[in-house]
Amino acid sequence: AQKVTQAQTEISVVEKEDVTLDCVYETRDTTYYLFWYKQPPSGELVFLIRRNSFDEQNEISGRYSWNFQKSTSSFNFTITASQVVDSAVYFCALSVLKGANNLFFGTGTRLTVIP
Amino acid sequence: GAVVSQHPSRVICKSGTSVKIECRSLDFQATTMFWYRQFPKQSLMLMATSNEGSKATYEQGVEKDKFLINHASLTLSTLTVTSAHPEDSSFYICSAPRLAGTSNEQFFGPGTRLTVL
Repeated sequence: AQKVTQAQTEISVVEKEDVTLDCVYETRDTTYYLFWYKQPPSGELVFLIRRNSFDEQNEISGRYSWNFQKSTSSFNFTITASQVVDSAVYFCALSVLKGANNLFFGTGTRLTVIP
Repeated sequence: GAVVSQHPSRVICKSGTSVKIECRSLDFQATTMFWYRQFPKQSLMLMATSNEGSKATYEQGVEKDKFLINHASLTLSTLTVTSAHPEDSSFYICSAPRLAGTSNEQFFGPGTRLTVL
């Protein structure tokens, strides 16, 4: 069975601070994909990143960076110099190549950036 | 990138009525589409997998007679909430995976917010 844990329910930071959102996953499959989505108040999911299990390279995209560590089954997301527009709920998700390929979502982390 | 549309984006209906939600993949064919439900301040939970040419598969606890799914073509899946009740009020989101080799891209629709009075 697949499982994604986002232990941080809510985080508040002051603008320009850095913030890291944690994600820990569980799966017995050797080929899997990890995702991060942003969900603003409108509800629409905004895709941020997809990483497959064979690619442990960390990635940076502007103020966003991701740290994938298979040894600890973690896929953490860091926002540098946070901005008010970053306020949203962030979901980490997992899918496996075998089976239906649906996503298993974590419970989400609500990030509030205070001006 | 690929686009998935949903219609309507918002619907308010009276208790007991049926509501149909459409999910379309606009520029690729999807033999499979997924329907998720998100209650306020909760995560997205898979309700069912819509399969073109065969019956949908439902997750445990989801009533197949209440949530009718029809995958009419390779670009369209519909979810009908029959005899809706206030507890069915939720945000419904569909997604379509585009698989190519070992790549797994998932495209989500913008969601449908259902309010049952």
